[in-house]
Amino acid sequence: AQSVTQLDSQVPVFEEAPVELRCNYSSSVSVYLFWYVQYPNQGLQLLLKYLSGSTLVKGINGFEAEFNKSQTSFHLRKPSVHISDTAEYFCAVWSGSARQLTFGSGTQLTVLP
Amino acid sequence: NAGVTQTPKFRILKIGQSMTLQCTQDMNHNYMYWYRQDPGMGLKLIYYSVGAGITDKGEVPNGYNVSRSTTEDFPLRLELAAPSQTSVYFCASSYGQGMIGQETQYFGPGTRLLVL
Repeated sequence: AQSVTQLDSQVPVFEEAPVELRCNYSSSVSVYLFWYVQYPNQGLQLLLKYLSGSTLVKGINGFEAEFNKSQTSFHLRKPSVHISDTAEYFCAVWSGSARQLTFGSGTQLTVLP
Repeated sequence: NAGVTQTPKFRILKIGQSMTLQCTQDMNHNYMYWYRQDPGMGLKLIYYSVGAGITDKGEVPNGYNVSRSTTEDFPLRLELAAPSQTSVYFCASSYGQGMIGQETQYFGPGTRLLVL
């Protein structure tokens, strides 16, 4: 069975500071990994995804994530955040044995002025 | 393109009432999904469809029904509403051109349902 753990439910950070949102997954087979963002009162939209190849994945809005197979992690990073990055961020995984995308419980990123 | 649209945006139901949540996409996507999102939880898959006439259960299908008569529409039916179905419901779609697990899903804005 696959599962996703987002280690921080809330992350407050000051504007222009760096941020890392942590995600760990459990799966015994190869995986596809995703980060989605949900702005207030909106649906989710894709930030980035890892399917294969380079372990460093670049996404929209200056975000990037690194796939670490040995640590079963897919942490999301941004070197300098903006007020507009305030949103909820969801990590998700699809493994070969599953029939669906499994989402983590989400991390609320709040960027403070 | 409007993308994925959902109606209604909000609804309050009494216990035992029924309703249909509408979902339409104009991207000619083959795959469509229904999720529910509860506070502090990730999204849970209710049902999905890989094409017109084909539907399958997700993780939490009890209390819901779906149909897919056209490529564009994927309505979700609640037959006997219960307080446990209070949630935010999201419809999503994806192209359906390759492996389903690799595809980007495009989400609608959600329907907020309160069952009293």
